[in-house]
Amino acid sequence: SAVISQKPSRDICQRGTSLTIQCQVDSQVTMMFWYRQQPGQSLTLIATANQGSEATYESGFVIDKFPISRPNLTFSTLTVSNMSPEDSSIYLCSVDRLAGSHNEQFFGPGTRLTVL
Amino acid sequence: AQSVTQPDIHITVSEGASLELRCNYSYGATPYLFWYVQSPGQGLQLLLKYFSGDTLVQGIKGFEAEFKRSQSSFNLRKPSVHWSDAAEYFCAVGGDTDKLIFGTGTRLQVFP
Repeated sequence: SAVISQKPSRDICQRGTSLTIQCQVDSQVTMMFWYRQQPGQSLTLIATANQGSEATYESGFVIDKFPISRPNLTFSTLTVSNMSPEDSSIYLCSVDRLAGSHNEQFFGPGTRLTVL
Repeated sequence: AQSVTQPDIHITVSEGASLELRCNYSYGATPYLFWYVQSPGQGLQLLLKYFSGDTLVQGIKGFEAEFKRSQSSFNLRKPSVHWSDAAEYFCAVGGDTDKLIFGTGTRLQVFP
């Protein structure tokens, strides 16, 4: 398994501000993923972050709103920019790790964001 | 289009009763299928996964799931539910690209 930590675990922010969420993994991984889970909803992939290249964003998500950094193989950040109440969600990072003969995704505990 | 459907938004069972959570998927290639559980305020924990081989897979906490290709289903079962099983359950499908597509989840309530 993988040990994944996220900071902060939760935050309450004002409209128009930005928040950077950190994701730390206990060992080197190639691919890291950022998901959003809106209240009462399922998980939606925001982007895939590979070290040494720009993040790949899913439809409906743009770099200006959700800039991502991936400075090394154990760390990534997601910034939620110019926040509005609609950005209130749980943000989760996950990593791929080889488990047996296939890759498996392990998730961090999530960051619960409330935007007032 | 790739998608996962969990028809039951909310299920309530009595402790000790059997449980089946439904999951149907649409995926263009060979699917890799997963069930995750999310307890309140927690991240996601993998219960079990199917990649190939035996279509009945065993997972943690006494859960099992059966892959039925003809029905495009991967239903989760447990013969006897415990109060600690109360949580949100997510079915997901993926493939070689490693991107996961999640269903909308089923919230399980367990009454004593």
